[in-house]
Amino acid sequence: QQPVQSPQAVILREGEDAVINCSSSKALYSVHWYRQKHGEAPVFLMILLKGGEQKGHDKISASFNEKKQQSSLYLTASQLSYSGTYFCGTEYQTGGYQKVTFGTGTKLQVIP
Amino acid sequence: GAGVSQSPRYKVTKRGQDVALRCDPISGHVSLYWYRQALGQGPEFLTYFNYEAQQDKSGLPNDRFSAERPEGSISTLTIQRTEQRDSAMYRCASSPPGSNYGYTFGSGTRLTVV
Repeated sequence: QQPVQSPQAVILREGEDAVINCSSSKALYSVHWYRQKHGEAPVFLMILLKGGEQKGHDKISASFNEKKQQSSLYLTASQLSYSGTYFCGTEYQTGGYQKVTFGTGTKLQVIP
Repeated sequence: GAGVSQSPRYKVTKRGQDVALRCDPISGHVSLYWYRQALGQGPEFLTYFNYEAQQDKSGLPNDRFSAERPEGSISTLTIQRTEQRDSAMYRCASSPPGSNYGYTFGSGTRLTVV
């Protein structure tokens, strides 16, 4: 089952913050976050394993609420380079490999 | 190599022809995945290899699709008797062993069936 992302699209001015949500109807093992710029391949941002951890690097961080089967991606003080489509990807199994089901994406545009 | 390499970058084929898409993963990445991405959508899982073993092919749409990775490195995704609905971006991804690493995706092959 495909995870549901919200919002579908968001426009920010440079320096503003944004939150992208990802929710699943099934119990999650992990959540991945990727960013894809137009015409390019998706680029891995981070992975959160079950345990309710929070991760981050630079001004992008994420949380994983195992009980609610939700993850949120936080972008603070957005930069023009943050523009792109963000995908969450969910894993439902621990079969020794990562079988990721991707959401439909959130299109983020940062304007000057 | 430095990244995941896919070829060809673009492929236009006539309906009914067979196509072979190639993926060369990052050296040392034992896990290799094939995904298909429609325009504006997230990638959709097709199949997974651990070294040369195809351990999950649950995402292959039908028996016209097959994949192999005979020596545990380069992989080929073959689509026989192509149909217009097969048109999409086909992406390969690789990852090192373990659960804490994400995928490195290749640039993909844009397949157009006319």
